[in-house]
Order: sequence, then structure tokens, then C-alpha cells
Amino acid sequence: EAGVTQFPSHSVIEKGQTVTLRCDPISGHDNLYWYRRVMGKEIKFLLHFVKESKQDESGMPNNRFLAERTGGTYSTLKVQPAELEDSGVYFCASSQIREVLNTEAFFGQGTRLTVV
Amino acid sequence: GIQVEQSPPDLILQEGANSTLRCNFSDSVNNLQWFHQNPWGQLINLFYIPSGTKQNGRLSATTVATERYSLLYISSSQTTDSGVYFCAVEDWYGNKLVFGAGTILRVKS
Repeated sequence: EAGVTQFPSHSVIEKGQTVTLRCDPISGHDNLYWYRRVMGKEIKFLLHFVKESKQDESGMPNNRFLAERTGGTYSTLKVQPAELEDSGVYFCASSQIREVLNTEAFFGQGTRLTVV
Repeated sequence: GIQVEQSPPDLILQEGANSTLRCNFSDSVNNLQWFHQNPWGQLINLFYIPSGTKQNGRLSATTVATERYSLLYISSSQTTDSGVYFCAVEDWYGNKLVFGAGTILRVKS
């Protein structure tokens, strides 16, 4: 079974440009999450989809970030326009929905974004 | 929100040595996971352990939910164990992982 896959693995863009990150979750996982780690700091939550619906986007830093999950399958995270402080590693994770205990989340390999 | 503290912040071991990493959290949890971030940046799932004890080869973990801590044991460490170890938890109110700052482990040959 394929794991969570992210594309691209690395991206270097200039300040002011636009970048779109993609995440393909594990098949059958309705929960999809975006996290990021910037400047060696802690890994922080960005947002959570349940199928195609945004369940929680409290971690999105500002309106330069836009996430979508059309059809409840893969997700994209667009940064427009990118700023220097957006540099970091962006992780995607997915998990199954269960009624009681939350289930194990599996992470992709991450996209390393460098804004110059 | 829930707070997660990991200790020690960094650790240097000689190959073959054992170690214990600790994760304290400030509220009751319904999910706790340990991850290893390898030198390529990948987050590798080690344990899903909201309570109890699990073992996987040289690694084992114990979570004492009532006392709000978890321990990760690494025995007979190898150089490939080097990297950052993260503890992450979910409380009963949210549906997202909150990560600790991590423990940087370096195993020397």
C-alpha cells in the first residue's frame, strides 16, 4: 500500500512568486492534515480536511496560504505571494476516521520550501 | 491548548549504548505518537501509543496516561538511530497533533 506522497520534494522560489504543494493521502483516509516546520522550530499544525471539507484551519498563518481538497482525494497548498519567512518543510499527513479514539496519522516525506 | 515537553533536548551516545527519551504533556490525550525524523527529513512512525507499552525490535515505548508522560527506550543504539525524535499528542477537544520540540540524538561509532 502506498504511503502519503508529497510533490515536489524540494522547491526554491523567489520572494513574491507562487508555489503549489501537492499531497496524495493514503487511499481510504478521509482525514488530511498540513503541518510545517520553519527555521528549525517545532512542527506546527496548519489545517485539517475531512474529505473535501475544511474542518479546522486555525493554524493557517495568513491569507497568502490557500488549501484545497477537491473531491476529497489529493490536496494542494498554495502560497501566493511567497515571503522569506515561509521557508521551511511542509508536511502532509492522513488518517482514518474512527468514532472514539483518534487513529494513527501517517506523514509524507515533506516538501522543503526555500524562498530567496 | 495542550503543551508537550520533551527531554533531553539533545543526546550524544556511543554506539551500543541505551537511552530513554521522555515526553510530558499537560492534559489528557486520546492519541500519542512517536516519530523519528531521519537525516533526509522524513517523519517515520515509531509508535502509536495513547496508553500502555509497545515494543518493536530495539525500540519500546510506554505511556502512562494518568501521569501524563511517555517514554521511548532505545537499546543497543546504532548510528542509523541518529536524527530527531518527536513526540506528538492529540487532546480530546481537537483533531490535530501537537508536537514537542524534539530530542536530537547523535550516535557515534
